[in-house]
Amino acid sequence: KAGVTQTPRYLIKTRGQQVTLSCSPISGHRSVSWYQQTPGQGLQFLFEYFSETQRNKGNFPGRFSGRQFSNSRSEMNVSTLELGDSALYLCASSRDSHPEETQYFGPGTRLLVL
Amino acid sequence: SQQGEEDPQALSIQEGENATMNCSYKTSINNLQWYRQNSGRGLVHLILIRSNEREKHSGRLRVTLDTSKKSSSLLITASRAADTASYFCAPTGFGNEKLTFGTGTRLTIIP
Repeated sequence: KAGVTQTPRYLIKTRGQQVTLSCSPISGHRSVSWYQQTPGQGLQFLFEYFSETQRNKGNFPGRFSGRQFSNSRSEMNVSTLELGDSALYLCASSRDSHPEETQYFGPGTRLLVL
Repeated sequence: SQQGEEDPQALSIQEGENATMNCSYKTSINNLQWYRQNSGRGLVHLILIRSNEREKHSGRLRVTLDTSKKSSSLLITASRAADTASYFCAPTGFGNEKLTFGTGTRLTIIP
């Protein structure tokens, strides 16, 4: 089975721009979660989508949004980029939304905001 | 949701030695999971221990859980260079909350 894939792997943007990141989960997985990882804050949960509905949301401003398509692929969007948005964005998929389900992580998208 | 705090922040040991890292959390949990992350890549699930379990093994990994102290430890025996990575714990409460992670323990195995 193919693993979780994320595109693009690297991205450079400037302040004020917007960005869309994509995540393709493992086939058959219906839950997709997004995380932001920075050296100072560690790994922080952004949001989770399950069957095209947002199930959980972390403590991030409204500039961060996401969606999930009927094939379970997910996108996250960050508008009006700030320098502090530079981070590794990880997506993880699981079969369903149960807390004990193992999450399988993608390799991440490294975003640099200049 | 709650965040685990890993300790120490960094650990360097010789290959072949055992490595122990700890995780503390604040409120009651349903289970606790450990993940590994190799340099700047995605996380890999290692082991899940439920709140009614005290110890669990998986290969060279041994995890303990002490709910009275709200702490867990991860022991890696006979360490190898490939164990060099960051290790994160993720305590999960009851309900539909998602995993949250701390800043991890950075483990370096010296050949």
